[in-house]
Amino acid sequence: QLQLQESGPGLVKPSETLSLTCTVSGGSISSSSYYWGWIRQPPGKGLEWIGSIYYSGSTYYNPSLKSRVTISVDTSKNQFSLKLSSVTAADTAVYYCARGDLYSGSPLDYWGQGTLVTVSS
Amino acid sequence: SYELTQPLSVSVALGQTARITCGGNNIGSKNVHWYQQKPGQAPVLVIYRDSNRPSGIPERFSGSNSGNTATLTISRAQAGDEADYYCQVWDSSTAVFGGGTKLTVL
Repeated sequence: QLQLQESGPGLVKPSETLSLTCTVSGGSISSSSYYWGWIRQPPGKGLEWIGSIYYSGSTYYNPSLKSRVTISVDTSKNQFSLKLSSVTAADTAVYYCARGDLYSGSPLDYWGQGTLVTVSS
Repeated sequence: SYELTQPLSVSVALGQTARITCGGNNIGSKNVHWYQQKPGQAPVLVIYRDSNRPSGIPERFSGSNSGNTATLTISRAQAGDEADYYCQVWDSSTAVFGGGTKLTVL
């Protein structure tokens, strides 16, 4: 059974960089059949896609966040990571990592439990 | 940028059929996915590529997509179906989510 687990600081200061890691177990992050993504959800609000990374190394980001986001993969650790720079209170949210299935229309079929990141001094 | 429109809330009587819509320009030409999210939990995929159910999702959940509207249908609604539901599509390599619909089972 595939499992994803987010990890990282729960509190980040304004203007600093938010860094999260997603550890994948029960499957290989190197499979060409899948992609890996980050999604966030501000308290009481809806889901917002942050970006995705593919087996080829290609990345795609939400245009509204593109200038501040970097997603990378570490295949040796079966992990992928998110960095969001210059954070403000508006970046406070539960951050989810997820797997996407490229052969079923690309839905996000497995999600981590999510981790709350608060931006505050 | 592409936008998806969902009703904020839908109510359904226990045992009846709920329909949640997702509107978008020519959405019928896209693959629509639906997620269920219960309070304090991560989203769960309930319908992919318009009308397909992942393993473990009850047959009561079905989907359709045509023209400018995709619809998630929940038959014989149960108390456990009460949740937020989100539609999602891909547009120009960008994932787009609808604003979400809160389903209340009366």
